[in-house]
Amino acid sequence: DGGITQSPKYLFRKEGQNVTLSCEQNLNHDAMYWYRQDPGQGLRLIYYSQIVNDFQKGDIAEGYSVSREKKESFPLTVTSAQKNPTAFYLCASSIGGALPYGYTFGSGTRLTVV
Amino acid sequence: SQKIEQNSEALNIQEGKTATLTCNYTNYSPAYLQWYRQDPGRGPVFLLLIRENEKEKRKERLKVTFDTTLKQSLFHITASQPADSATYLCALLSNRLAFGKGNQVVVIP
Repeated sequence: DGGITQSPKYLFRKEGQNVTLSCEQNLNHDAMYWYRQDPGQGLRLIYYSQIVNDFQKGDIAEGYSVSREKKESFPLTVTSAQKNPTAFYLCASSIGGALPYGYTFGSGTRLTVV
Repeated sequence: SQKIEQNSEALNIQEGKTATLTCNYTNYSPAYLQWYRQDPGRGPVFLLLIRENEKEKRKERLKVTFDTTLKQSLFHITASQPADSATYLCALLSNRLAFGKGNQVVVIP
C-alpha cells in the first residue's frame, strides 16, 4: 500500500542536541511538507518542497533544516537553535503544483526535550 | 492578518443526529477549501475538497458548503455515529495549504 512513513514515533532529545526526523513516501508525489502541531494550535508549516533538490521556508522555519535529495525522502533536522522543539511533527505529501488534491499525512513523530 | 477560525469548544452530539461545524476565514481568497479528520496521536486524513465555484459537495454522510461571500464553510455529518468522534480540520488552499485549529466532535451513543 502507498503511504507516508514517519520514524521514529517517539523521540527524546537532550537540550543542545540536533535530531533528525525521517519521512519517506512511496506515492510518487512531487511535493512534501513538514508541519508542527502544538496543543490548542493549528498545524504550522515549517518547510516544504515542490520538487527534488529544492525547498522553501514555511512560517516557522527558524531552528529547523531539511534536505530533498530524493523524491521519496524529506528528512527534518531539529537543531539546537530551536528554542521550543517539544511538539508533534507531521510530514505530508501531495501531487504538487497548483493541483488541489488533498494532502496525505504520516502518523507523526512526537519529540520531547528532556 | 490572515485567520482561519473554527470553534474551540467541542461539539457533543447524540448518535443519529447531524453534526454541523463552521469554518470562517479572513484575508484569504482561497480557490479551494478542504476538510480533514484527525484522531488523537495520528496525522490528519483528507475527507473532502470543494472549489470556490461549488456551493455544496457530498461524500457518503458528509456534506460541505462553501460561501465565498460570507467567507465560510459548513461541514455536516449526518446520522452521526460514535466512530465519527474526532477532530475535524478546515484547510484553505491559496498559494499553499493553511489549517484551522480544528473542532472536536464527540458523538454520544
